[in-house]
Amino acid sequence: DTGVSQNPRHKITKRGQNVTFRCDPISEHNRLYWYRQTLGQGPEFLTYFQNEAQLEKSRLLSDRFSAERPKGSFSTLEIQRTEQGDSAMYLCASSATGAPGETQYFGPGTRLLVL
Amino acid sequence: AQSVTQLGSHVSVSEGALVLLRCNYSSSVPPYLFWYVQYPNQGLQLLLKYTSAATLVKGINGFEAEFKKSETSFHLTKPSAHMSDAAEYFCAVSDRMGNTPLVFGKGTRLSVIA
Repeated sequence: DTGVSQNPRHKITKRGQNVTFRCDPISEHNRLYWYRQTLGQGPEFLTYFQNEAQLEKSRLLSDRFSAERPKGSFSTLEIQRTEQGDSAMYLCASSATGAPGETQYFGPGTRLLVL
Repeated sequence: AQSVTQLGSHVSVSEGALVLLRCNYSSSVPPYLFWYVQYPNQGLQLLLKYTSAATLVKGINGFEAEFKKSETSFHLTKPSAHMSDAAEYFCAVSDRMGNTPLVFGKGTRLSVIA
């Protein structure tokens, strides 16, 4: 069990460019979450998947954001036409089944800087 | 809607002193409560969680927290601070109705002075 991994760890891009982040959850975890963390704030929920189905999206997830989990394993988060306000740490977490109260295991995050 | 308030964005203690990080929650249904720790440039690691089995919850690294329904609190304590405890600490809540995304507080940065 290698834990949740995220790639890349850091990304610098210019405003208007598209970026894609990848998350590999703990093997056989059915639930996968994306959160965003800005400086001085706690993580904020973006979206989550149960296997390959995207079950909920936060209002924080604008139309420029899209997430997929095509085979119920890894997930990608794409941001189109990036804006400076998108600069943040993007965290991925997974849990075994999604049962209430179940522990979510977090990856190291991808830090995005939009210039 | 659920929410978490962490009193004090920065707490500083001397090595060996008591650590007390405060967390108050708001939830219309009985909550699950969590404390996570984040070291610089790392993800979040679970310290402990409350799931109603016992109101006093013991976690890793000598931390514990007590659920007090009457005070809607879940404060985190450690009897004796160690230099390695310096980090950012987040309290989080989720409800029991199947809505499992966590709602986090803004965090408290703990500094430990030698």
